[in-house]
Amino acid sequence: AQTVTQSQPEMSVQEAETVTLSCTYDTSESDYYLFWYKQPPSRQMILVIRQEAYKQQNATENRFSVNFQKAAKSFSLKISDSQLGDAAMYFCARGSNYKLTFGKGTLLTVNP
Amino acid sequence: EADIYQTPRYLVIGTGKKITLECSQTMGHDKMYWYQQDPGMELHLIHYSYGVNSTEKGDLSSESTVSRIRTEHFPLTLESARPSHTSQYLCASSGGTGGHEQFFGPGTRLTVL
Repeated sequence: AQTVTQSQPEMSVQEAETVTLSCTYDTSESDYYLFWYKQPPSRQMILVIRQEAYKQQNATENRFSVNFQKAAKSFSLKISDSQLGDAAMYFCARGSNYKLTFGKGTLLTVNP
Repeated sequence: EADIYQTPRYLVIGTGKKITLECSQTMGHDKMYWYQQDPGMELHLIHYSYGVNSTEKGDLSSESTVSRIRTEHFPLTLESARPSHTSQYLCASSGGTGGHEQFFGPGTRLTVL
């Protein structure tokens, strides 16, 4: 089975600081997508950022950016200037053939 | 406003009951998905559909069934609920110019006593 691995079950960060969440994946596909989703406690899953595998440039969405290392099959998420509202479970996902495979998630705590 | 809806949000029922979890989307998407998620855990794909009258089983075996008679509607049914079915069920959709990006509903938290 092609897997997505998030090696950090929990992370914490001080408000206004920067934190990086790790994700590695395996795939035999040449065409695939990578995503980071955020799931706040008891709230809806929302997309944070996406990356097309064929694009070399790392995706950026405001305070969120990724470090995509295709050869290493690594896709980490960097959150800059962390805010209390960033506290959530973060899931890394790989998409191919219109299906997503999720990692086990990283629970991010933001300390005031 | 385009969105994806799930009802009920919470459901507590007894063993042996038949239940249907509803999922509807107004996003014009052709693809829809059902995931099962235990609290604080990863999502497992249990069913998906790429269009009307098309349904497939996902990676995690499930005793539930689904139907796709209308593009916007993708209900999930359990004929006889058991305590092992207690979980959160998330519905998602994708399509159009979004490619592989999936949009999620708020989820249904099911408890079977």
